[in-house]
Amino acid sequence: EIVLTQSPGTLSVSPGERATLSCRASQSVGTNLAWHQHKPGQAPRLLIYRASSRAAGVPDRFSGSGSGTEFTLTISSLQSDDFAVYYCQQYYSWPPLTFGGGTKVQIK
Amino acid sequence: QMHLVESGGGVVQPGGSLILACEASGFSFSSYGMHWVRQAPDKGLEWLAFIHYDGTIKHYADSVKGRFTISRDNSKNTLSLQMNGLRDEDTAVYYCAKVDSSPFIWGQGTMVAVSS
Repeated sequence: EIVLTQSPGTLSVSPGERATLSCRASQSVGTNLAWHQHKPGQAPRLLIYRASSRAAGVPDRFSGSGSGTEFTLTISSLQSDDFAVYYCQQYYSWPPLTFGGGTKVQIK
Repeated sequence: QMHLVESGGGVVQPGGSLILACEASGFSFSSYGMHWVRQAPDKGLEWLAFIHYDGTIKHYADSVKGRFTISRDNSKNTLSLQMNGLRDEDTAVYYCAKVDSSPFIWGQGTMVAVSS
């Protein structure tokens, strides 16, 4: 099973600031990694797939990078709508599909 | 617009059973494998089960193997999850999803509470 470790667990950021979220895989997943945004009471929302491809309708302030075992999601200038929990997910080797533990982005 | 809509959640006693359904629209449901994923209170996302596009291959997480059964009816664009032997730790929001290749699609979820 591929374990995904996200850091930090919680990130406190002021609106307008940059946020950098990390995801480390226990073994290489190539670029078969997605990032999802999840808000309470809502469906998760795909932001990034294939490590760096932005999903349809996702603002360009969201960007993904990395390959192999190290990945980053960057939010260039945080908006009020961006405060949420972010999960990375690998789809390279499964079952099981695995998710990271999540990074909560909260208002500083 | 690609949509997945879950139904069937509710409150059930420990040891009880429940069937969740997920209706798909706006995409070629019968062409894709589908998954169930859940989120327990104050926990992260947990993958539960997968079914191949034609129903011939199924995979389960160890936490639900032998208790949950995934199935699909491509004629009705419907995915199902039969849950037996429910435990307190099965309390969660359950999502049907397509999360192994593009397009990625999530349903809005249905809540299952296991409580006496």
